[in-house]
Amino acid sequence: KAGVTQTPRYLIKTRGQQVTLSCSPISGHRSVSWYQQTPGQGLQFLFEYFSETQRNKGNFPGRFSGRQFSNSRSEMNVSTLELGDSALYLCASGPGGFDYGYTFGSGTRLTVV
Amino acid sequence: EDKVVQSPLSLVVHEGDTVTLNCSYEVTNFRSLLWYKQEKKAPTFLFMLTSSGIEKKSGRLSSILDKKELFSILNITATQTGDSAVYLCAVAHTGTASKLTFGTGTRLQVTL
Repeated sequence: KAGVTQTPRYLIKTRGQQVTLSCSPISGHRSVSWYQQTPGQGLQFLFEYFSETQRNKGNFPGRFSGRQFSNSRSEMNVSTLELGDSALYLCASGPGGFDYGYTFGSGTRLTVV
Repeated sequence: EDKVVQSPLSLVVHEGDTVTLNCSYEVTNFRSLLWYKQEKKAPTFLFMLTSSGIEKKSGRLSSILDKKELFSILNITATQTGDSAVYLCAVAHTGTASKLTFGTGTRLQVTL
């Protein structure tokens, strides 16, 4: 079965711009979580969507937002980009229960210049 | 503040060696501990551990959890160059299935 698909794979943006990243989960999975990975901080949880509702949120500023569509695809938006937003953004999908390991996509590498 | 600490930070071994990677945690509302392997970008799920003392095995990899001492180990026997990767440990919390708190990882390099 198809895995988790993230687009685009690479992105270069200028400070102050905004960006939208996309994640298509594994078919049948209703939970999509987003993580930011940087060399200094490692993987940090941004938020999770389940059945089009944000179920959990990490400690990131309001510039980071997301949404989920009825087909479970999710988008993440970052507004007013800062240099420190340069990172690998990973999404993970799962069926939505507790006892499973999430499947990650290959990520979107965002560079802010 | 929730903390997940992995050691060592990096490790270089020869093919055929056995390695042990460590993960300790101090978190609220612990539910389970997960191990992932990250080679390039996508972390790949290895194990989920919920109960103390029960070893999970997959080929040459095995892992065990100690909920009293708050740590887990990941063992890799007869290492191969294909085991070279960053190994990530993460904790899942009760009530918030999706939020994983990750350690910073152990970078393993297996040389010939």
